[in-house]
Amino acid sequence: KAGVTQTPRYLIKTRGQQVTLSCSPISGHRSVSWYQQTPGQGLQFLFEYFSETQRNKGNFPGRFSGRQFSNSRSEMNVSTLELGDSALYLCASSRQGQGNPGNTIYFGEGSWLTVV
Amino acid sequence: QKEVEQDPGPLSVPEGAIVSLNCTYSNSAFQYFMWYRQYSRKGPELLMYTYSSGNKEDGRFTAQVDKSSKYISLFIRDSQPSDSATYLCAMSARPQGGSEKLVFGKGTKLTVNP
Repeated sequence: KAGVTQTPRYLIKTRGQQVTLSCSPISGHRSVSWYQQTPGQGLQFLFEYFSETQRNKGNFPGRFSGRQFSNSRSEMNVSTLELGDSALYLCASSRQGQGNPGNTIYFGEGSWLTVV
Repeated sequence: QKEVEQDPGPLSVPEGAIVSLNCTYSNSAFQYFMWYRQYSRKGPELLMYTYSSGNKEDGRFTAQVDKSSKYISLFIRDSQPSDSATYLCAMSARPQGGSEKLVFGKGTKLTVNP
């Protein structure tokens, strides 16, 4: 079956711009989570959506937002980009949610964002 | 103190060596423990998950949890060059009717040399 698909894979933006990243989960998965991965901080949880509702949120500023559509596809948006937002943004999908044992979450290959 | 600490390495071993990867944590609410493997320029993939203290084996991989010491380990026997990747530990507290976020270690980069 098709895995988690993230687009675009690579992008370069200028400081102050905004960016929208897209994630298509595995068919049948209703939970979509977003993570930011940097060499310095590792994988950090941004937010999780389940059936179009934000169910959990990490400690990121309000410039980071997301949404989920009725078909479970999700987007995340970062406004007023800063140099420190350069990172790999990973989307993960699962049937039920992150913390359930045996409920495997599947990661996409990520979107590499560079802010210049 | 970060919730999850993991030595970033890098760790370089010869093929066939036994590899030990470790994480410590401070949040005693963590109940579920996972190990992910991430190849370069790829997303993480789940290797193993455990709930209780003790050992769990899967082929060449053994996950060990010691809740009293707040310490988890992943052992790789007969390591292969294909095991070269970054290994991330992750953990979460007991779900309470909703979703509990996963907290990841920063990852240990492992290289297995032929």
